[in-house]
Amino acid sequence: ETGVTQTPRHLVMGMTNKKSLKCEQHLGHNAMYWYKQSAKKPLELMFVYNFKEQTENNSVPSRFSPECPNSSHLFLHLHTLQPEDSALYLCASSQVGGNTEAFFGQGTRLTVV
Amino acid sequence: QKEVEQDPGPLSVPEGAIVSLNCTYSNSAFQYFMWYRQYSRKGPELLMYTYSSGNKEDGRFTAQVDKSSKYISLFIRDSQPSDSATYLCAMILLRGSYIPTFGRGTSLIVHP
Repeated sequence: ETGVTQTPRHLVMGMTNKKSLKCEQHLGHNAMYWYKQSAKKPLELMFVYNFKEQTENNSVPSRFSPECPNSSHLFLHLHTLQPEDSALYLCASSQVGGNTEAFFGQGTRLTVV
Repeated sequence: QKEVEQDPGPLSVPEGAIVSLNCTYSNSAFQYFMWYRQYSRKGPELLMYTYSSGNKEDGRFTAQVDKSSKYISLFIRDSQPSDSATYLCAMILLRGSYIPTFGRGTSLIVHP
């Protein structure tokens, strides 16, 4: 275990569904991230939260909606997704101002049907 | 030109070989360098990190940074089938941004 826990590990959803991905970090970090990893593509940064404030939104479609209620929890709310949104969604955390390496969760494998 | 270039492979080697994985980067302001290993259907796990130019060794793994050439390497000695994974390099500016920039990863296959 890396100290970053993601649930669920697998998710299949229809295009009209609404679902949420959850991430929790037990490392005391102050920054959290959502990445998308598609087959044969580099990691794509989606959102960054620093001290619960969103600091980055990399032109992500509005059908993805992040929420960071506190520095330990991060959610990604999903609605009306498209099949091309099927991917591995990774959460990461790091300590800004300290050792800055990011630690990842195991990811949620999302399939949109 | 992408900020971080990494050959996706796959790189296939026999067990026991020395493996060399590399990344080049364009922004000379990168100061902090990391290597991650990602097994299939898992999240990336941090292998090594370093601030400075030179070598850093951890068991069978050696990370090398050449800032003058904007080139980083990860060497794996006595490679094992269990080393088969995708290896991602990442780097951080530190000054101005703490967000890591990743290479696309190199797929490594170590066959018995």
